[in-house]
Amino acid sequence: DTGVSQDPRHKITKRGQNVTFRCDPISEHNRLYWYRQTLGQGPEFLTYFQNEAQLEKSRLLSDRFSAERPKGSFSTLEIQRTEQGDSAMYLCASSSYDQETQYFGPGTRLLVL
Amino acid sequence: QKEVEQDPGPLSVPEGAIVSLNCTYSNSAFQYFMWYRQYSRKGPELLMYTYSSGNKEDGRFTAQVDKSSKYISLFIRDSQPSDSATYLCAMSRMDSSYKLIFGSGTRLLVRP
Repeated sequence: DTGVSQDPRHKITKRGQNVTFRCDPISEHNRLYWYRQTLGQGPEFLTYFQNEAQLEKSRLLSDRFSAERPKGSFSTLEIQRTEQGDSAMYLCASSSYDQETQYFGPGTRLLVL
Repeated sequence: QKEVEQDPGPLSVPEGAIVSLNCTYSNSAFQYFMWYRQYSRKGPELLMYTYSSGNKEDGRFTAQVDKSSKYISLFIRDSQPSDSATYLCAMSRMDSSYKLIFGSGTRLLVRP
């Protein structure tokens, strides 16, 4: 068990480009969460998967954002037509069905120029 | 008003001091309370977890939850320079997918 992993760790892109991030949760964790963290703030919830089903999305998740978790294992978060305001740390967390605690990955730091 | 309020600090203490970190919250429906430690440019690391009111101790760390006052605390005894980090309180509810609502974090600096 190597913990939650995220890829890439850093991404620099130009405004208007699309980006995709990947999260690999702890094996056998069926709950997966995406959060976004800006400088000086705590993480903010974006979306939640239980197995392959996306059960909740925050109002922060505009229609430019889409997340998937095919087969209930890894997850991807795609941002289309990036804007400078999308610059942030994108964090993935996972937990098992009988746990209330979440374990975070190292995050993907996005910079939109 | 944010659901979870946390003093951003920074809080600077000498090595060996007892550190007290606090959060207040407005939603009485929160059931689960956590403290995470986050080093610069890293992901949050779970430190302590408490269900409902009460105290929990783990080594140098003690977490307290007072649901009647909507107030949670984290105490660090014999603080070390390696404890220098941002401490985030977080809370969740079973009927809300257990999604975490975070405070803004308190920056702690432990001076050697």
